[in-house]
Amino acid sequence: GAGVSQTPSNKVTEKGKYVELRCDPISGHTALYWYRQSLGQGPEFLIYFQGTGAADDSGLPNDRFFAVRPEGSVSTLKIQRTERGDSAVYLCASSPNPSGNTIYFGEGSWLTVV
Amino acid sequence: GQNIDQPTEMTATEGAIVQINCTYQTSGFNGLFWYQQHAGEAPTFLSYNVLDGLEEKGRFSSFLSRSKGYSYLLLKELQMKDSASYLCAVSPSSGTYKYIFGTGTRLKVLA
Repeated sequence: GAGVSQTPSNKVTEKGKYVELRCDPISGHTALYWYRQSLGQGPEFLIYFQGTGAADDSGLPNDRFFAVRPEGSVSTLKIQRTERGDSAVYLCASSPNPSGNTIYFGEGSWLTVV
Repeated sequence: GQNIDQPTEMTATEGAIVQINCTYQTSGFNGLFWYQQHAGEAPTFLSYNVLDGLEEKGRFSSFLSRSKGYSYLLLKELQMKDSASYLCAVSPSSGTYKYIFGTGTRLKVLA
């Protein structure tokens, strides 16, 4: 597609529920990133994929968070047993390769845990 | 540790010039980025500096001093649509994927 596409744009879920957030990167981009942005803060790195593999998942806050990219294109961020502190905007970004000068962000998935 | 500092808020008048400063302390340096983010929207790329000096791009310019750990974004001929948050981000290592972002500067442009 023309840009990075993320769904859903908004998600409200109850504490303890499971959530999946989807990212469709720019066509041809091999590198994909997930960031999390809390209100009034800058984005924080979560995980980076090069192709199908997670090259760096050091930013995932705990083992409730997991992400996959099985075919090297679309990625899904999965959050188990959601907590109120997980409420944030989850931003996906992609770039043609990991050494590029910039990454291109999607509009994010706004997650609210009540 | 890794730290990036920017002012929280700034206000300026339409048609004026504003300078948004960013200081950083990171374990390494492989480039500094400025992004613009309107409320509820994705960050969009504005500029990239990896060498010292000024990069000019239309109404926006960005400056970098690596020895001082300092950058600024200069916006000229301000327009109402420039009201947004401006995010400073550093790539601490090659393979520019793991950006460290500042908290952003909310700029309000007044008529």
